[in-house]
Formats: sequence, C-alpha cells, structure tokens
Amino acid sequence: AQKITQTQPGMFVQEKEAVTLDCTYDTSDQSYGLFWYKQPSSGEMIFLIYQGSYDEQNATEGRYSLNFQKARKSANLVISASQLGDSAMYFCAMSLNFGNEKLTFGTGTRLTIIP
Amino acid sequence: DTGVSQDPRHKITKRGQNVTFRCDPISEHNRLYWYRQTLGQGPEFLTYFQNEAQLEKSRLLSDRFSAERPKGSFSTLEIQRTEQGDSAMYLCASKETVENTEAFFGQGTRLTVV
Repeated sequence: AQKITQTQPGMFVQEKEAVTLDCTYDTSDQSYGLFWYKQPSSGEMIFLIYQGSYDEQNATEGRYSLNFQKARKSANLVISASQLGDSAMYFCAMSLNFGNEKLTFGTGTRLTIIP
Repeated sequence: DTGVSQDPRHKITKRGQNVTFRCDPISEHNRLYWYRQTLGQGPEFLTYFQNEAQLEKSRLLSDRFSAERPKGSFSTLEIQRTEQGDSAMYLCASKETVENTEAFFGQGTRLTVV
C-alpha cells in the first residue's frame, strides 16, 4: 500500500518569499508518479506539478519546483516568489504505474500568504 | 472542452434518502475516478473506470454505494439510504491512459445529510 505524509498542517508566509511544503511517501513499487495539487476554497483540485520515479531531474513548472530526493522518499514542493493567490490547501499525492493508477493523497497543508 | 463537470454542486438530503451524482469527464479521457473528501482530509479513492469497465473499488465503497459508466462516457455515483457519515465532498476526475499525465478534477458535489 502507498502512503503520503504531510507534516505541516498550516503555514504562513510573507508575500514574495519562497516557501517549501514537505511531503514524504512510502511505497515498495519502483514505478510511480508524484503529484502536487492545489485546492482553493472553491473546492476544485488544480494540478501543479508531476515527477516520475525515474526522472533524474527535478520537475519545474513556472514558479513551482519539486525537490525530489528518492533515497529519502521525499517530494517537497517549492513555490518561489509567493503571491496572495497562492493561499490554498496543497496536497501531495502519488500513483503507481507512473501516474496511471488511483491517487493516494496526503492530509494537505494550508498555506496562507500574508501581504 | 470545458473540463470535468459535476452535477449537482451541492446536495442536501434527509437521512435515509437516495442520492445520485453525475460526472461528465473530458471527452477523450478513458479513465474516470471517484474520490470522497471529508473536512480537513485529503481525497480518498472510491472507484475507477476504464471506459465502461469498473476496474477497482475501495473497501470504503459499501454496498449502499454504486457507480456506473454506461457507454464509457459520463458516470453516476448513487448512494442509497444515506447516513450522516456520508456527508462529504465527492470529487470526480478523468485522465488519459497515458503514463506521466495528470488527472483533471471537477469542482465536486458537496453532500450534506441531515
């Protein structure tokens, strides 16, 4: 079975600063994908970034980057130059078969950006 | 295509009543997933379809829950004899059966059982 652990229930960050959201995972499979989703108060899950287990380089998407440390089984999300619109719940998730199976989510981190 | 669509967005029902939710996935996506999210938690997997075939069901999906995806297009999730513990956000997601691609989520149906 897969497990995702997010140990930060809430974080407060000053606008324009960078923020790191922690995520560790557990699986015995070798072929998996790691995802980060953002959930604003409206409820929709918005995809941010993906990392495959065999990808050697960390994924980047605009202001988002994923710090993938396979040996430590961690997949932290880094948001650079935070904006007020980044305030939301952030979920780390994993899926076997490089993302082709069901998603297993963590409990999330509520990020609040302070003006 | 406007994305994954769910209907209704909100549903209030009395305990013991049956409810049905609908999900319209992105048209070319052959995989469709249902998740349930309770307050303060991440979404939990319920079931998924590859086209019209239901390939996996979670143990969370009691016999009061049933899901269908006729003709491999839209899907319905029915809850019979609702209980207060069924109150949650029900999320639908769809994706292509291609590695290294993300699932796209709908805005969810929030169910309140009173």
